[in-house]
Amino acid sequence: AQSVTQPDIHITVSEGASLELRCNYSYGATPYLFWYVQSPGQGLQLLLKYFSGDTLVQGIKGFEAEFKRSQSSFNLRKPSVHWSDAAEYFCAVGFTGKLIFGQGTTLQVKP
Amino acid sequence: DAGVIQSPRHEVTEMGQEVTLRCKPISGHDYLFWYRQTMMRGLELLIYFNNNVPIDDSGMPEDRFSAKMPNASFSTLKIQPSEPRDSAVYFCASSPMGNLGLGEQFFGPGTRLTVL
Repeated sequence: AQSVTQPDIHITVSEGASLELRCNYSYGATPYLFWYVQSPGQGLQLLLKYFSGDTLVQGIKGFEAEFKRSQSSFNLRKPSVHWSDAAEYFCAVGFTGKLIFGQGTTLQVKP
Repeated sequence: DAGVIQSPRHEVTEMGQEVTLRCKPISGHDYLFWYRQTMMRGLELLIYFNNNVPIDDSGMPEDRFSAKMPNASFSTLKIQPSEPRDSAVYFCASSPMGNLGLGEQFFGPGTRLTVL
């Protein structure tokens, strides 16, 4: 069955430090992969998506993610975190018209 | 475009009452999704529509939940009767998904439902 795992429920990083959020998926075919961000009290906003082609995809707000088929991973990265990046991040895999979301990773940014 | 519009933003009701949540998708989007978000269960897909037709309602928890999409610009999610365990944030999303591939979903701000 299709599934998405985000191993880290909560991550704290210092402002200016680099960030990597992990995502592993289970899907039989070529996946469509997404990262969304949810700020407190808000809906989800798409950060980036992977459909095919270059395995390193760039998104908004300086985020990027790399698709690694051999590891069934789609980790999200940012070289330097800003305090405004504090939010919850969701990885998702798309198939047959639906998105399956991971449980989310809450990012806290220390000043 | 104003994005996906949901109303009300907050709803507090008593157990046993009927609750109706409303959603206006982005104009031109073919797909509409209803999600529920709780701390315990995360983000769950309840039902989705394609061209106003329900495609998959396997996520609807019980018969107390029903959803309709009478036209391309409006959808409702109804809970009757409501129970305290229905307390959650309910999101509506729409997508310009084409025949092939998968389109990005655009989320509304959500309705925070509290059932006392």
